[in-house]
Amino acid sequence: DTAVSQTPKYLVTQMGNDKSIKCEQNLGHDTMYWYKQDSKKFLKIMFSYNNKELIINETVPNRFSPKSPDKAHLNLHINSLELGDSAVYFCASYGGETQYFGPGTRLLVL
Amino acid sequence: GDSVTQMEGPVTLSEEAFLTINCTYTATGYPSLFWYVQYPGEGLQLLLKATKADDKGSNKGFEATYRKETTSFHLEKGSVQVSDSAVYFCALSDSAGGGNKLTFGTGTQLKVEL
Repeated sequence: DTAVSQTPKYLVTQMGNDKSIKCEQNLGHDTMYWYKQDSKKFLKIMFSYNNKELIINETVPNRFSPKSPDKAHLNLHINSLELGDSAVYFCASYGGETQYFGPGTRLLVL
Repeated sequence: GDSVTQMEGPVTLSEEAFLTINCTYTATGYPSLFWYVQYPGEGLQLLLKATKADDKGSNKGFEATYRKETTSFHLEKGSVQVSDSAVYFCALSDSAGGGNKLTFGTGTQLKVEL
């Protein structure tokens, strides 16, 4: 069983479009995250939710809107996509002093 | 704020060579320290962790010791294999303000050749 899963794995889209990435964890954790990995492999936190409440928002443009319908899911919606949004987006969940990462969603904006 | 500094890569080694990847950190509190590994085309996997000073984390032949006096958490392996080729990330976890966010270093690519 996959602990943290993301869909889609790959996403290719045009500038200006709106897209969503979904994340689900079956670990029973209360806290989930979104991270962005740029082309140089640098990883930076974007958001964190604890039991459906936003607790970290790291100066991300408001075109990015996370949504947590329940504590097992944390989705990321991106409006008006820009070229600079091209990256790999990782979802993670936290438990036992450790974060567990999903496989990533590779977003390419053309 | 918190930060993590790793040695730049790529690091290229022959199989069975000794590996060291340096990592130092800056933090206001008492963070937990982690090494994550990212194999090509995959997500991040936890390799090892240490939650307090002088703890040694170890896994799959890799080890790292939490050194508070030198604010370091260097990754070592005595004999690398081709299958260890990956990008290695040092990270610290800061629970201040809630959320246990991870701050990552820039990653070090390791290439192991026959």
